Amino acid sequence: DARVTQTPRHKVTEMGQEVTMRCQPILGHNTVFWYRQTMMQGLELLAYFRNRAPLDDSGMPKDRFSAEMPDATLATLKIQPSEPRDSAVYFCASGLGGSSYNEQFFGPGTRLTVL
Amino acid sequence: GQQVMQIPQYQHVQEGEDFTTYCNSSTTLSNIQWYKQRPGGHPVFLIQLVKSGEVKKQKRLTFQFGEAKKNSSLHITATQTTDVGTYFCAGTSGTYKYIFGTGTRLKVLA
Repeated sequence: DARVTQTPRHKVTEMGQEVTMRCQPILGHNTVFWYRQTMMQGLELLAYFRNRAPLDDSGMPKDRFSAEMPDATLATLKIQPSEPRDSAVYFCASGLGGSSYNEQFFGPGTRLTVL
Repeated sequence: GQQVMQIPQYQHVQEGEDFTTYCNSSTTLSNIQWYKQRPGGHPVFLIQLVKSGEVKKQKRLTFQFGEAKKNSSLHITATQTTDVGTYFCAGTSGTYKYIFGTGTRLKVLA
């Protein structure tokens, strides 16, 4: 059955290194979300796209985070340079946005540890 | 900015007892969604509520949307060990931007 995929599932890196996380939304979905989950802050929306265009990235630290959708089958979230406080689980979700609001299908997440 | 709070933060219940989590938004919502996240897993969609005062049921789960569309609740009747997880509400004021609540972590003791 259709599902959102994310790679890598786990990433351990050192402070200052670049980290790239990838997401493949469900085929046909036109809305993609990036969330970050930590124990302290819960689930935070970082950015979302509709039809590959960024609609809102106000939740992202602009100086180090960037999100893109090179094509309809790939969304990327990049952190450069990474810092220990970026350690979290990063979820990608996709949905079929339209006149009615639909469910978000979450991927399994990328667990990032920055040492 | 918009905030969505949930209470309680944690709840431990004996298997067979009922459970309720409450969701409160600082602003009026267009609709609200509920998700369940199992330990180590990802959020999974449960339901969406759109109308003021709406009540929906899924087997032992009952979802309500407040009349003012600023609060919602999820009630589980006769909890089972499979109900363990964190329950999140997520609300939007009319865009694709959903604000997730703080979550309620449910533990069911057999």
